[in-house]
Amino acid sequence: KQEVTQIPAALSVPEGENLVLNCSFTDSAIYNLQWFRQDPGKGLTSLLLIQSSQREQTSGRLNASLDKSSGRSTLYIAASQPGDSATYLCARGGAAGNKLTFGGGTRVLVKP
Amino acid sequence: DAMVIQNPRYQVTQFGKPVTLSCSQTLNHNVMYWYQQKSSQAPKLLFHYYDKDFNNEADTPDNFQSRRPNTSFCFLDIRSPGLGDAAMYLCATSRALRTSGLTDTQYFGPGTRLTVL
Repeated sequence: KQEVTQIPAALSVPEGENLVLNCSFTDSAIYNLQWFRQDPGKGLTSLLLIQSSQREQTSGRLNASLDKSSGRSTLYIAASQPGDSATYLCARGGAAGNKLTFGGGTRVLVKP
Repeated sequence: DAMVIQNPRYQVTQFGKPVTLSCSQTLNHNVMYWYQQKSSQAPKLLFHYYDKDFNNEADTPDNFQSRRPNTSFCFLDIRSPGLGDAAMYLCATSRALRTSGLTDTQYFGPGTRLTVL
């Protein structure tokens, strides 16, 4: 069974601190790994997509890495801001059709 | 401009009364998905359309059906909603290429929150 795990489930940091969010998956035969942001009661916003042939992707203050051999992906958010408070979900892309298996998410609170 | 649109945003229905949720997209993506997300849980894939091909997940109840009349629209029909079907329903789209095997980002709509009374 393909599983995706995110630990911790919740994280609180002071403004300005760097955020490190972890994602682990059991099946290394992935097509891609996506990171999403979800605000309360809202849909998902795609942050970064890493194809299986890539090691990392960057967008602004966000950097995501992928290590297939260890089954891990990490999302780094530099210099966190209160507006970064949200739930962050990682999802493993599987067979053709890009079926995603989601982790449980990490709920982030950035305190001013 | 909204790229994946879901209507309505909030839907209240009675136990056992059929309900239809709609999703439309302006991205011309060939793949459309329906996810169910219950409170504080991860989204769970119900089914997806790859072009016109319907792909049901093995554990999706028969109570849930879907229609895709054209590239832009996809509907989720819940034939007899139960209390346990109250959730956020998320529609997503992506562009997937059969030849290359590479898959693109999934774009999600804002969701429809379903309440069952």
